[in-house]
Amino acid sequence: AQKITQTQPGMFVQEKEAVTLDCTYDTSDQSYGLFWYKQPSSGEMIFLIYQGSYDEQNATEGRYSLNFQKARKSANLVISASQLGDSAMYFCAMREGQADSSYKLIFGSGTRLLVRP
Amino acid sequence: EPEVTQTPSHQVTQMGQEVILRCVPISNHLYFYWYRQILGQKVEFLVSFYNNEISEKSEIFDDQFSVERPDGSNFTLKIRSTKLEDSAMYFCASSGPVTPNEKLFFGSGTQLSVL
Repeated sequence: AQKITQTQPGMFVQEKEAVTLDCTYDTSDQSYGLFWYKQPSSGEMIFLIYQGSYDEQNATEGRYSLNFQKARKSANLVISASQLGDSAMYFCAMREGQADSSYKLIFGSGTRLLVRP
Repeated sequence: EPEVTQTPSHQVTQMGQEVILRCVPISNHLYFYWYRQILGQKVEFLVSFYNNEISEKSEIFDDQFSVERPDGSNFTLKIRSTKLEDSAMYFCASSGPVTPNEKLFFGSGTQLSVL
């Protein structure tokens, strides 16, 4: 079974609008972490946002927020006020286990976002 | 902002040759990683390194692969005898200093092409 599922291979959004990128995960651990990374066409992986499984508040970083719904095992990324520079591949990833003992991130297959002017 | 740097950005090699990919992690980080991404596929974990030893490795990380922290700043991945299927983007990452995986920062990658 897939540990991280991103069901949207590609998405379009109009500049200045908000967009939600879906991510569902599968784990039996009580302690885990969820990440989103952006990969522009240049290839680097840019950290966007992190949510710990015990965090009660949804994580926010500037225009990025993570809609964490634990019971549904979803961790959707919301980008507000899209900009042309947001066009990129976006990866959801999970760390199973506690932050001080687990090292491996499991990545989803990614969603390619294209922002239209 | 501090960043993870990787050299070279592109490496072309012949099958069977040894390659060394180099990384300089963020200076106060203590946990180091290598990941790879075959073109069009998911990013895959290879290995993690802490306190001068491997802490975890994947099944991809076989005897052809090794990692080393030769001094206080560099972290290297060596592939002893490259195969065609080793062609991929290789990412170095680092995290810490307190906990390993709250924020994992990646370098810009080395594109390895094995001919």
